[in-house]
Amino acid sequence: QSALTQPASVSGSPGQSVTISCTGTSSDVGGYNYVSWYQQHPGKAPKLMIYEVSNRPSGVSNRFSGSKSGNTASLTISGLQAEDEADYYCSSYTSSSSNVFGTGTKVTVL
Amino acid sequence: EVQLVESGGGLVQPGGSLRLSCAASGFTFSSYWMQWVRQAPGKGLVWVSHSNSDGSSISYADSVKGRFTISRDNAKSTLYLQMNSLRAEDTAVYYCARGRYYNGFDPWGQGTLVTVSS
Repeated sequence: QSALTQPASVSGSPGQSVTISCTGTSSDVGGYNYVSWYQQHPGKAPKLMIYEVSNRPSGVSNRFSGSKSGNTASLTISGLQAEDEADYYCSSYTSSSSNVFGTGTKVTVL
Repeated sequence: EVQLVESGGGLVQPGGSLRLSCAASGFTFSSYWMQWVRQAPGKGLVWVSHSNSDGSSISYADSVKGRFTISRDNAKSTLYLQMNSLRAEDTAVYYCARGRYYNGFDPWGQGTLVTVSS
């Protein structure tokens, strides 16, 4: 199972919005609404930010939103803040009854 | 508080074996699917294996199939990963996480480092 494709990095100024794409195939992202997004700060464990494409767990800021179109899912961070600087990974269920992560995106707050 | 604590990592020679443990607390362990995910130094997350709540449904990534075995002891609220025939490319921080695919993996443990080197 090949990793889902994400841009290596995105950046934005405080207050701006950034969007991270996550491209897979019809066997993963495009075939199921089981896309999740994780935030990982350096040296820390990942944290769930979005599940089932667009749902936010309790406690996650509403500045984080998710969507999907075809084989590509997206995570948008609105009102960018310094603490949002981190690595972000998408994840999807696959037709092999397994899971696949994205290549990861480093978000930089300028 | 829901908590997952991994242990068992360390330095092992190529071809060796190691067993990781993930002790769960703060929730009914026997009701949840569990996952193992690894991250090589400076690299991205890679899914390794899952177990359903009673251990009857298990899956592995192709890269570890036939070498790694996931298991669980619901009476002890502990998840395990038996790793045999270890290779240099298995060097990574190994995380356990709670959950199924449709509701995401949450929370994650702090991870345990496995280093395969001679």
